[in-house]
Amino acid sequence: NAGVTQTPKFRVLKTGQSMTLLCAQDMNHEYMYWYRQDPGMGLRLIHYSVGEGTTAKGEVPDGYNVSRLKKQNFLLGLESAAPSQTSVYFCASSYAVVQETQYFGPGTRLLVL
Amino acid sequence: KQEVTQIPAALSVPEGENLVLNCSFTDSAIYNLQWFRQDPGKGLTSLLLIQSSQREQTSGRLNASLDKSSGRSTLYIAASQPGDSATYLCAVSGNTPLVFGKGTRLSVIA
Repeated sequence: NAGVTQTPKFRVLKTGQSMTLLCAQDMNHEYMYWYRQDPGMGLRLIHYSVGEGTTAKGEVPDGYNVSRLKKQNFLLGLESAAPSQTSVYFCASSYAVVQETQYFGPGTRLLVL
Repeated sequence: KQEVTQIPAALSVPEGENLVLNCSFTDSAIYNLQWFRQDPGKGLTSLLLIQSSQREQTSGRLNASLDKSSGRSTLYIAASQPGDSATYLCAVSGNTPLVFGKGTRLSVIA
């Protein structure tokens, strides 16, 4: 099992550019999550999904969109990147939302100039 | 809104010492509390998960306790080793997915 993988590992964008971060899990988990981690702010939930075809907003959803077309994949999109979106992005998955632990990917480091 | 606080923000101890990391949360209506470890430049690894009905969980040299009514949890690390150096985060699950504290950065000096 690869667990949770994220693509790409590192990316530099210019303000206004768009990109998609890909998260994939091979554990047949129903729930998937996108977080961002910033110095002094900790981990904050951006969006999450409770199953294929569903998405929900987290604490900091503005400026991001997500899609869960396949159970194993969860995509995070930035339509028009801003310097404030410079961060490390983590994807996670779990079998259930409240009873089970979350498994995290290695992270994507994004720099927006 | 749930808020999770971890004290201290950073801790440096000599090898072999026993230590306690603290976590507090404002809303006691939680389903579970989890402790994670994060190494520099890496993702999070789950260490222990305590269900709301439980008082503690143990894994090797780690012991986590939960006092839901007072909104507190502690992570006890016995006989610390340099390999324990990392950032430790606690997170609580309630009506929304996990809410994280900002972590305690632990350095164990050989």
